[in-house]
Amino acid sequence: GAGVSQTPSNKVTEKGKYVELRCDPISGHTALYWYRQSLGQGPEFLIYFQGTGAADDSGLPNDRFFAVRPEGSVSTLKIQRTERGDSAVYLCASSRDYNYEQYFGPGTRLTVT
Amino acid sequence: ELKVEQNPLFLSMQEGKNYTIYCNYSTTSDRLYWYRQDPGKSLESLFVLLSNGAVKQEGRLMASLDTKARLSTLHITAAVHDLSATYFCAVDGTSGSRLTFGEGTQLTVNP
Repeated sequence: GAGVSQTPSNKVTEKGKYVELRCDPISGHTALYWYRQSLGQGPEFLIYFQGTGAADDSGLPNDRFFAVRPEGSVSTLKIQRTERGDSAVYLCASSRDYNYEQYFGPGTRLTVT
Repeated sequence: ELKVEQNPLFLSMQEGKNYTIYCNYSTTSDRLYWYRQDPGKSLESLFVLLSNGAVKQEGRLMASLDTKARLSTLHITAAVHDLSATYFCAVDGTSGSRLTFGEGTQLTVNP
């Protein structure tokens, strides 16, 4: 079946601009996660959704970052007033439910110039 | 705060040799994952270890978990070039949802 998909695969934006990154989880998966991976590092947790609600957003670095999942399926990660330090690969993962194995998407490479 | 440490961070080995990657973590967890990542690609799940003493093998890779020592190992047997990649271990902490990853071990297998 189809895996986790993310769009766009690459995004280049100028400092100060607003960006949206989209994640389509595996069909039927109720849990959805966002991670950020900087060059040469392991992924770092940002936010976790169970259904439509953000169950844990403690990894969001500051209030420029926000994520939604209005219908419990597709999620959008929104970054306002982007900074060069936001450049990274943003990974989305989904799992059947809380505490099940997470399956990762291909990621969106964000470059802020 | 849960911390996950891997060593070595860089590993260059000859084809046919054996080696072990270590993953230590700082707080109690009964669930540990190993992932492989090729350059520019996403994470591919290799193993899920769910209990103390768990051992899983796939091809030339074998993973084990000792929850008492808070240690997992990924053993490579008779390495081949196709195993060249970065390997991450990840632990889910007491919250049971978010994964905390190690820094990764960049493995290069030389012909």
